[in-house]
Parts: sequence; C-alpha cells; structure tokens
Amino acid sequence: EVVMTQSPATLSVSPGERATLSCRASQSVISNLAWYQQKPGQAPRLLIYGASTRATGIPAKFSGSGSGTEFTLTISSLQSEDFAVYYCQQYNNWPLTFGGGTKVEIK
Amino acid sequence: EVQLVESGGGLVQPGGSLRLSCAASGFPFSKYWMSWVRQAPGKGLEWVANIKQDGSEKYYVDSVEGRFTISRDNAKNSLYLQMNSLRAEDTAVYFCARVPFIYQYYMDVWGKGTTVTVSS
Repeated sequence: EVVMTQSPATLSVSPGERATLSCRASQSVISNLAWYQQKPGQAPRLLIYGASTRATGIPAKFSGSGSGTEFTLTISSLQSEDFAVYYCQQYNNWPLTFGGGTKVEIK
Repeated sequence: EVQLVESGGGLVQPGGSLRLSCAASGFPFSKYWMSWVRQAPGKGLEWVANIKQDGSEKYYVDSVEGRFTISRDNAKNSLYLQMNSLRAEDTAVYFCARVPFIYQYYMDVWGKGTTVTVSS
C-alpha cells in the first residue's frame, strides 16, 4: 500500500498570505495525485488532479506541483473561504489512498 | 445538474448488515467508474471500493474485502454498497463519488454522504 503523508497537520495562516502544503508518497505515484478541499459538514471538493491540473471551476490561486513522491499544493492570498482541510490522494496503485489531511486555519 | 444522493445509512448493531444506495443524475451514469469513500468521525478520508462501468471489475480496501460488496444498476442510475458483518470501526459518513476518466481514479463529483453508526 502506498502511504501518503501530509505536512504539516495544521497550518496557521493570516488572511492574504500564501499557504504551502506538502504531500509525500511512500513510493512513486508518478503524477497520479489529486488534491481535495473539505469544509466542516461538507463533501470533499476536487481541486487538482494529475498533480498540477486544476479541476473545472477552481480558481488560479490554487496550484499543484511535484511528481514521483513529493507534491505541493500552494494557495495564494488566502481568503476566509479557503480555511478548510486539504487532502491529497494517490491513484497510481490499488488500494487508493489518502493523506491524513492538513488543516489550514486562521492565524 | 450533476448530482449524487446517498441514502440507506442508520444505526446497526455489530455483526449486522446495511445496504447503502447512491442515486445519480445529470450525467450518463453507465459511462463512469464509481467509488465509495468513507470518513470516520473526526478522521480523514478512506477509500472503500470502486466499480467499473459494467460492473465487471471491482476493487476494495483490505479492511472491507469479503464483508462489503459494491454493485450498480445502470438502468436505475444507481450505485450500491452492501455491508455485512459490520464492526464498530465501520462507523463513518459514506460518500459516493464519480471517477471522471477511465484509469484515472480520482473523484470529481461527490454526494453529501450518508451516516452509518455501528453500535449496540
């Protein structure tokens, strides 16, 4: 099983600042990585797939990078609606696996 | 509007069974792989199972293999999850989700989820 490790677990950011979230895979997943945003009581929302392609309707403030085992999600100029939990997911191998999540909170 | 609506959750005793349903609308259901993903209270996301468009391929996370069965009825635009021998650790919100591209097993459309509680 590919273990996905996200860091940090919690990220405190002031509104208007940039957030950088990391996701590491225990073995290469090539570029088969997605990022999701989840707010309390809601379903996850797809942000990024293919490590760097924004999903339909996702603003350019969200950007993904990386390949192999190291991936990054960058959120520029955080606004109130961006404070949420973010998950990475690999889909290169069965079973599909998610990272433990990074909570982005208001500083 | 593309939509997924789960139902069938509830309270069940350990060892019991439950069948979850997911009604799809707004897209050609029969052309998509589908997934079940769960989230235990206060925890992260865990993939549960996937099913191919025609039901000929199914994949499960090890912890549910042999206890859960994913299935679909394309004529009814519906996805199912039959859960048997339920355990306390199966307590979670269960989401159904659409896989947008063949062999690219991320999920682009999600339902709001249905809650399963396994407790005596």
